[in-house]
Amino acid sequence: DAEITQSPRHKITETGRQVTLACHQTWNHNNMFWYRQDLGHGLRLIHYSYGVHDTNKGEVSDGYSVSRSNTEDLPLTLESAASSQTSVYFCASSPDTDREGQFFGPGTRLTVL
Amino acid sequence: GQQVMQIPQYQHVQEGEDFTTYCNSSTTLSNIQWYKQRPGGHPVFLIQLVKSGEVKKQKRLTFQFGEAKKNSSLHITATQTTDVGTYFCAENTGTASKLTFGTGTRLQVTL
Repeated sequence: DAEITQSPRHKITETGRQVTLACHQTWNHNNMFWYRQDLGHGLRLIHYSYGVHDTNKGEVSDGYSVSRSNTEDLPLTLESAASSQTSVYFCASSPDTDREGQFFGPGTRLTVL
Repeated sequence: GQQVMQIPQYQHVQEGEDFTTYCNSSTTLSNIQWYKQRPGGHPVFLIQLVKSGEVKKQKRLTFQFGEAKKNSSLHITATQTTDVGTYFCAENTGTASKLTFGTGTRLQVTL
């Protein structure tokens, strides 16, 4: 069955370290998204991609970067982790038609000490 | 950044009572989607509304899209403990597949 996975599921790191969160989908979807979820803020879009080599900034992109070298993967990199980036991170993908919505991964809980 | 307003933020009901959450946007929407997130889980797509005044039903859930396409509601009839979770609306203002999520309404159901 097609799926979307994220790794690691939990991560503790220190301020200033570079961290990469993986997202892999086997739906063959062109569209992929990264969100962070914090209490009181719902889901906020970090970066998104509409296809290979395409990346776009979302509303909270500062301190984050993504790259899309193939259809299946959209890794999210925190260049220099900050305590304000402690959050739960969700990756999602969607087909080109909107009717089915976005399919979310299980999430990664990141703690920056 | 712009966020879609949802009310209430939290509601606690007894099993069997009805529940409604409302979503309001300042802009006209191409479509609106609804998601449910169980405690400790990830958001799961429920439905998409596209047409002005559209009403769709999924068993005990009724979704409405406003005539002006600026607001939407989700109504659950006779809640059950399995309805517990946070319900999010997500607006699509026209940019393909890109969504702005509402702040969510957390529903707690007790026996």
